Amino acid sequence: NAGVMQNPRHLVRRRGQEARLRCSPMKGHSHVYWYRQLPEEGLKFMVYLQKENIIDESGMPKERFSAEFPKEGPSILRIQQVVRGDSAAYFCASSRDNQETQYFGPGTRLLVL
Amino acid sequence: GENVEQHPSTLSVQEGDSAVIKCTYSDSASNYFPWYKQELGKRPQLIIDIRSNVGEKKDQRIAVTLNKTAKHFSLHITETQPEDSAVYFCAASKRGTDSWGKLQFGAGTQVVVTP
Repeated sequence: NAGVMQNPRHLVRRRGQEARLRCSPMKGHSHVYWYRQLPEEGLKFMVYLQKENIIDESGMPKERFSAEFPKEGPSILRIQQVVRGDSAAYFCASSRDNQETQYFGPGTRLLVL
Repeated sequence: GENVEQHPSTLSVQEGDSAVIKCTYSDSASNYFPWYKQELGKRPQLIIDIRSNVGEKKDQRIAVTLNKTAKHFSLHITETQPEDSAVYFCAASKRGTDSWGKLQFGAGTQVVVTP
């Protein structure tokens, strides 16, 4: 049973470009959470999605950031017009229905030049 | 919203000694408390968790205690080994209407175990 998958593992973008981060949850998991980890800091919640629905986006900046989890395919976190402050590790986690345990993917390390 | 505080930020222990990390939370409705271990450049890995209907849980050298009244929980690692060196994060969450919500993390504790 494959774990949570994320790609790409590393992403380099220049300021103003777009970044697309993908997350495939564990098999049987329909809940996806995105967290951001700045260098040498903790994990900060961004957004929580179930299939085709955003449940909680209270941690996601209102501008430039969006997330989706379509019926088919991975969840995508999209950052438009990236700035240097967006450089961070972005982790997604997944869980089953009615289960509180979240399992993390390997993360995408975004570097904005 | 929930606020989780974690202490200490760094902890150095001799191999074989015990390590204790403490966290406090603010939202009395929180009822799930996991601990994650993160090695450098790796994903956070769940090492143990506790639910609010339990006061203590143990798994080999790792134990977690929860005091709901005081709203704090602690991680205890006994007989520490060099491979225990990592950053440890506590977290808290609560169940919403239809599902479990986000994890609110503490700031992390860098544990260094010296041989």
